[in-house]
Amino acid sequence: DTGVSQNPRHKITKRGQNVTFRCDPISEHNRLYWYRQTLGQGPEFLTYFQNEAQLEKSRLLSDRFSAERPKGSFSTLEIQRTEQGDSAMYLCASSQGLAGGSSYEQYFGPGTRLTVT
Amino acid sequence: EDKVVQSPLSLVVHEGDTVTLNCSYEVTNFRSLLWYKQEKKAPTFLFMLTSSGIEKKSGRLSSILDKKELSSILNITATQTGDSAIYLCAVDRGGATNKLIFGTGTLLAVQP
Repeated sequence: DTGVSQNPRHKITKRGQNVTFRCDPISEHNRLYWYRQTLGQGPEFLTYFQNEAQLEKSRLLSDRFSAERPKGSFSTLEIQRTEQGDSAMYLCASSQGLAGGSSYEQYFGPGTRLTVT
Repeated sequence: EDKVVQSPLSLVVHEGDTVTLNCSYEVTNFRSLLWYKQEKKAPTFLFMLTSSGIEKKSGRLSSILDKKELSSILNITATQTGDSAIYLCAVDRGGATNKLIFGTGTLLAVQP
């Protein structure tokens, strides 16, 4: 399977615990995005990487959230001291991002559904 | 504030019907508009539209962008139960990140 993959697919945690999610983008894609989606809403942008550089973070990304893409390949998203309001689907997307045409299309992974109890 | 608005919020049709989903946007910068289909999983890419008036077509689905009216429509002809999903519209504002601004989606239910 050469699509975007995410692990784990589901995570249930207790409030106050830390969680980490992983995203493996399509191999030739240098752009990687994290989005969060809650029930009845469209995905909301969280953060963006071009290769290993994190170039933009949303105001939605509080200090408890941190993301990395250490070698410009896979990425991790960590949430510290989880709160019930963090319960959502966390989606990762990647794109090629070369000049012109269809290379800006973003392809999404299956998501990690987080439930904070 | 940038926003993308989709209508209707939900729609119930019978197999064989034709449906039209609407998307309008107000953004400071515009590069392209994208349509995604979302079932009980991640959004799957349908179309990317950058030029006004040029229809993109894939099987029974088609879409067109009107940059003057800041809107797009997604048409589905001869609907099937497998078309039941949430259809998401998103705008790529371009710039350095090409982050997407999504609407809340249209929930389509196709009854047999």
